Amino acid sequence: DSGVTQTPKHLITATGQRVTLRCSPRSGDLSVYWYQQSLDQGLQFLIQYYNGEERAKGNILERFSAQQFPDLHSELNLSSLELGDSALYFCASSPGTSGQETQYFGPGTRLLVL
Amino acid sequence: GENVEQHPSTLSVQEGDSAVIKCTYSDSASNYFPWYKQELGKRPQLIIDIRSNVGEKKDQRIAVTLNKTAKHFSLHITETQPEDSAVYFCAARWGGDMRFGAGTRLTVKP
Repeated sequence: DSGVTQTPKHLITATGQRVTLRCSPRSGDLSVYWYQQSLDQGLQFLIQYYNGEERAKGNILERFSAQQFPDLHSELNLSSLELGDSALYFCASSPGTSGQETQYFGPGTRLLVL
Repeated sequence: GENVEQHPSTLSVQEGDSAVIKCTYSDSASNYFPWYKQELGKRPQLIIDIRSNVGEKKDQRIAVTLNKTAKHFSLHITETQPEDSAVYFCAARWGGDMRFGAGTRLTVKP
């Protein structure tokens, strides 16, 4: 157990809908990262938040957005869902913003868009 | 941005043999190189990492080597066991953006 929690574990929804994925980082960690893992794209970095502020952006679509709250939990919002958004979504956390910090992954949310 | 290539995509070895997975990266500013092991349907778990000021790091049966000049790094697993069977990902990071290789599916046959 990494100490990172994610809810829900599974999510099934329809195209065009909007969903919110939630992540709680390890105790003491200020950075949260979001990743998408699909069969054909591997693990893709989406976005990083540090202490409530966006820190780095990767391959995140405009239909996706994220935020980090004062209690440091983070939410990833996916809207206008398409079939291709079906994937495992992981969050990870680390203590700060150093590029050399270890990231610990949560158990993931499996999203299925029908 | 960073681009990480990983080879081979699949690797099958006999129990007790060694396994080597290689990765190359494109951004010379990358300074952190972790390796993750992922079992089916589970989270990626860090197995070893190396920072750019070190050329080699070992942890029991697992070792990683880094060649910054050539921009490649490798994972070595010795005395492989069936429980080593999983998908292994390399990654390279500079700042907040971490890029992963496509993964290597390792199968260790008993």
